[in-house]
Amino acid sequence: KAGVTQTPRYLIKTRGQQVTLSCSPISGHRSVSWYQQTPGQGLQFLFEYFSETQRNKGNFPGRFSGRQFSNSRSEMNVSTLELGDSALYLCASSFTVAGQDNEQFFGPGTRLTVL
Amino acid sequence: AQSVTQPDIHITVSEGASLELRCNYSYGATPYLFWYVQSPGQGLQLLLKYFSGDTLVQGIKGFEAEFKRSQSSFNLRKPSVHWSDAAEYFCAVGEGYGGSQGNLIFGKGTKLSVKP
Repeated sequence: KAGVTQTPRYLIKTRGQQVTLSCSPISGHRSVSWYQQTPGQGLQFLFEYFSETQRNKGNFPGRFSGRQFSNSRSEMNVSTLELGDSALYLCASSFTVAGQDNEQFFGPGTRLTVL
Repeated sequence: AQSVTQPDIHITVSEGASLELRCNYSYGATPYLFWYVQSPGQGLQLLLKYFSGDTLVQGIKGFEAEFKRSQSSFNLRKPSVHWSDAAEYFCAVGEGYGGSQGNLIFGKGTKLSVKP
């Protein structure tokens, strides 16, 4: 079974631009979560989607948004990029059994650099 | 608020020596606990998890962890470290609202170096 895939793997943008990152979960997984990883703040939860609905949201500004499609693929968007948005963005998926999620499987991440 | 503390930022051990990485959590209810490992430039790989039941859990690559409710700890152990274990290790707690594990709170990580 293929793992979680994220595209692109690397991205360079300039301040003020916007960016869209994509995540394809493991087949059969309906929950997709996004995390931001930086050296200073570590791993921080951005948001989680389940069946096309945002189920949880972390403490990030409204410039960060996401969505999930009917095939469970997810995208996250960051508008008006700031230097501090440079980070590794990780996507994770999990499957649900009897209403209970199981462990999350992580993708390799997208390395975003904002100049 | 829920939190996870990994008190050791960096640990160096000799190959073949035993390893213990510490993790303490703050959580009101019974937590869902995880250990992940991250190699440079890579995503996170799950080593082991604790949801309920036996407090000593076995994971991949010869790792184990013990959940101690009285100490709010979930320390990771390995009896004999291999050079390939050099990586960064993250402890995480799942909040599990409505059955969801989609919101994990991570510790800051412990970087493990292995001396030949």
